[in-house]
Amino acid sequence: KAGVTQTPRYLIKTRGQQVTLSCSPISGHRSVSWYQQTPGQGLQFLFEYFSETQRNKGNFPGRFSGRQFSNSRSEMNVSTLELGDSALYLCASSHGSQRSYGYTFGSGTRLTVV
Amino acid sequence: DAKTTQPPSMDCAEGRAANLPCNHSTISGNEYVYWYRQIHSQGPQYIIHGLKNNETNEMASLIITEDRKSSTLILPHATLRDTAVYYCIVITGANNLFFGTGTRLTVIP
Repeated sequence: KAGVTQTPRYLIKTRGQQVTLSCSPISGHRSVSWYQQTPGQGLQFLFEYFSETQRNKGNFPGRFSGRQFSNSRSEMNVSTLELGDSALYLCASSHGSQRSYGYTFGSGTRLTVV
Repeated sequence: DAKTTQPPSMDCAEGRAANLPCNHSTISGNEYVYWYRQIHSQGPQYIIHGLKNNETNEMASLIITEDRKSSTLILPHATLRDTAVYYCIVITGANNLFFGTGTRLTVIP
């Protein structure tokens, strides 16, 4: 079956712009989580959506937002980009109960802010 | 506030077993232990998970201590392609994944 698909794979944006990243989960998965990975901070949880509702949120500023559609696809938006937002953004999908089923990750979107 | 502690790096000879330890002393009764690995900035790859009992699959074995405060991931016959960063993760009741800094495993020819 198809895995988690993230688009685009690479992106270059200018400081102050905004960006939207997309994630298509595995068919049947209703939960989508987003993570930011940087060399200095490692993998950090951004937020999780389940059935179109944000269920959990990490400790990131309000410039980072997301949403989930009825087909479980999710988008993540970062407004007013800063140089420090340069990172690999990973999406993971799961059945509703991650504790017993775990997550499947996409290959990520590498965002570079210049 | 990572819930797990792992050594930052380990080496293993090709063909030998790689034993990667993880401490999770504050784990709660209903929290699972998961292991993922990440190869050169690809998305993390699921390896194995467990709650109380030891588990084995085609990739690895997971040994969880009786008090559940630590676990060991065992790759029985390490290959060069197993070189990666290995993350031990506890999934909380709120379904959040806390990634620590992981263990960078280097398999040496």
